[in-house]
Amino acid sequence: EIVLTQSPGTLSLSPGERATLSCRASQSVSSRYLAWYQQKPGQAPRLLIYGTSTRATGIPDRFSGSGSGTDFTLTISRLEPEDFAVYYCQQYGSSPLYSFGQGTMLEIK
Amino acid sequence: EVQLVESGGGLVKPGGSLRLSCAASGFDFSRYYMNWVRQAPGKGLEWVSSISGGSSHMHYPDAVKGRFTISRDNAKNSLYLQMNSLRAEDTAVYYCAYGDSRFDYWGQGTLVTVSS
Repeated sequence: EIVLTQSPGTLSLSPGERATLSCRASQSVSSRYLAWYQQKPGQAPRLLIYGTSTRATGIPDRFSGSGSGTDFTLTISRLEPEDFAVYYCQQYGSSPLYSFGQGTMLEIK
Repeated sequence: EVQLVESGGGLVKPGGSLRLSCAASGFDFSRYYMNWVRQAPGKGLEWVSSISGGSSHMHYPDAVKGRFTISRDNAKNSLYLQMNSLRAEDTAVYYCAYGDSRFDYWGQGTLVTVSS
């Protein structure tokens, strides 16, 4: 079973700063099948990044993804007030078919 | 515009059953894998089930296998989740989402509470 571990659990930053969120897998994940989601309180998650580095429709270019194998990163280059939320990574293909990381809460410092 | 609207949630006793529905619009429903993902109160996301466009493939994690059944009606652009033998740990918001290998769009969710 693949386990995704996100770090840090909580990240406290100010608007304008750069955010780096990590997702580490217990086994190798195909780069084609690693995605990132953003969730704000009371809302459904929204797809940000898929295939490790491809931005979903309408996602601003301050969001970028990178990585391979077992280590993946979501970077937000310059934080906007609307970016403070919880972020989840997700893999597809290994048992279970889909799994999510436990989430990183990005909060305003 | 893609729309996914879940319904059918509510309060149910342990051991009981519930059927969730998801009405889809704005995309070619029959072509896409459809999925259910849940989120327990204050917790993270957990995949629950997936079904292929033609209903030939269904997938479940061990936590719900044998208790939950996913189905779809392409003529009605609708997705369903039949949940039997419900447990307290099934309490969550259940989201309908479409996509294959990822979840491109999500509904707003329906709350299922399992409690006596």
